[in-house]
Amino acid sequence: EAQLVESGGDLVQPGGSLRLSCAASGFTVRSNYMSWVRQAPGKGLEWVSLLYTDGSTYYADSVKGRFTISRDNSKNTLYLHMNSLRPEDTAVYYCARTPFTSRFDYWGQGTLVTVSS
Amino acid sequence: SYVLTQPPSVSVAPGQTATITCGANNIGDKNVHWYQQKAGQAPVLVVYDDSDRPSGIPERFSGSNFGNTATLTISRVEAGDEADYYCQVWESSREHFNYVFGTGTTVTVL
Repeated sequence: EAQLVESGGDLVQPGGSLRLSCAASGFTVRSNYMSWVRQAPGKGLEWVSLLYTDGSTYYADSVKGRFTISRDNSKNTLYLHMNSLRPEDTAVYYCARTPFTSRFDYWGQGTLVTVSS
Repeated sequence: SYVLTQPPSVSVAPGQTATITCGANNIGDKNVHWYQQKAGQAPVLVVYDDSDRPSGIPERFSGSNFGNTATLTISRVEAGDEADYYCQVWESSREHFNYVFGTGTTVTVL
């Protein structure tokens, strides 16, 4: 069965950087479209980024130019590199498999990123 | 940008039917997906492509989509169905690429 496990969330100061990881099992990351979705405390879901199987990347306007999605095929792991973090980036970050680029069928348990001084 | 509007809350007695709407302009032209999120947990896909169910999701969960409204229906509601529910669509054009989530509906089982 497919499983996703995120890690890397932490408390970071505004302007700082962080790298989130998402280890996959039960399927290969390189053969699937993969996304990051976040949820601010008490708020709804917000899509952040998508990585195509061919390496193409897409970002929400709110993170474009600051966040980078990538993968390590040898580790079957998805990453989200976050720079120039802002307080409004505070959220639980989920990785999710994105079949047919349309929906999110498997989700990790999430990792909390807090941006505060 | 495309906005999906859901009622903030729906209350239903056990055994009754809960209906959650997701409204947007011509949403019937898009594929709508629904997620259940219980307190402190990750979302779970319960309906995809308007009306299909992933394996393991009870038949009590069904969906429809026509015109300006998509609907998630939960029949014979159980206490364990208490959760937040989100609709979602994907929109893409040459200049724009985005996944849009609805505002979310909290289902309370009385």
